[in-house]
Amino acid sequence: AQKITQTQPGMFVQEKEAVTLDCTYDTSDPSYGLFWYKQPSSGEMIFLIYQGSYDQQNATEGRYSLNFQKARKSANLVISASQLGDSAMYFCAMSPTDKLIFGTGTRLQVFP
Amino acid sequence: DTGVSQDPRHKITKRGQNVTFRCDPISEHNRLYWYRQTLGQGPEFLTYFQNEAQLEKSRLLSDRFSAERPKGSFSTLEIQRTEQGDSAMYLCASSFGRTTNEKLFFGSGTQLSVL
Repeated sequence: AQKITQTQPGMFVQEKEAVTLDCTYDTSDPSYGLFWYKQPSSGEMIFLIYQGSYDQQNATEGRYSLNFQKARKSANLVISASQLGDSAMYFCAMSPTDKLIFGTGTRLQVFP
Repeated sequence: DTGVSQDPRHKITKRGQNVTFRCDPISEHNRLYWYRQTLGQGPEFLTYFQNEAQLEKSRLLSDRFSAERPKGSFSTLEIQRTEQGDSAMYLCASSFGRTTNEKLFFGSGTQLSVL
């Protein structure tokens, strides 16, 4: 079965600190993509970062990096230098085919 | 605004009524997706289109649900005889549709409340 697991319902981090949001996945497909999306209170899903299963290097996009450990089937999101505007729900997703399968999300709260 | 547009943003209806939602994808995108999101959960896939063709439907999409994309541009999602369990955020997304593993661009969703 194809599944995404996010075990942290909520996380707190102080402004300017780094935070890691956990994500593990399960698939038997050799080719897949891993995504992270941010969902602020407005509801729109905002794409953050993508990692392909055959990519040798971990993906980075500005303050976001994806710690991809294929053997462990994990794809953790690292946010460096947290900002108050980073407070939101964060969803990990996988696409073994043409659609995305999402986890249950982690609510991140950044405090001053 | 060149993003994915959904209308209405909010819909309140009584149980048993029919509702229809509209999604306008990014203009050059060939694929269009519908997801449903309930409180405390991640989005769940409902169905998707490649141009006009509906290629996949989730088992979550009961026979009360129907989606169309008649000209390969905008799409509508209709729910007939609404039930309280249909209350959720309905999200539309689109992508170029040229390869697999493409990122999806999402709209702001339609929040449905069934009383």
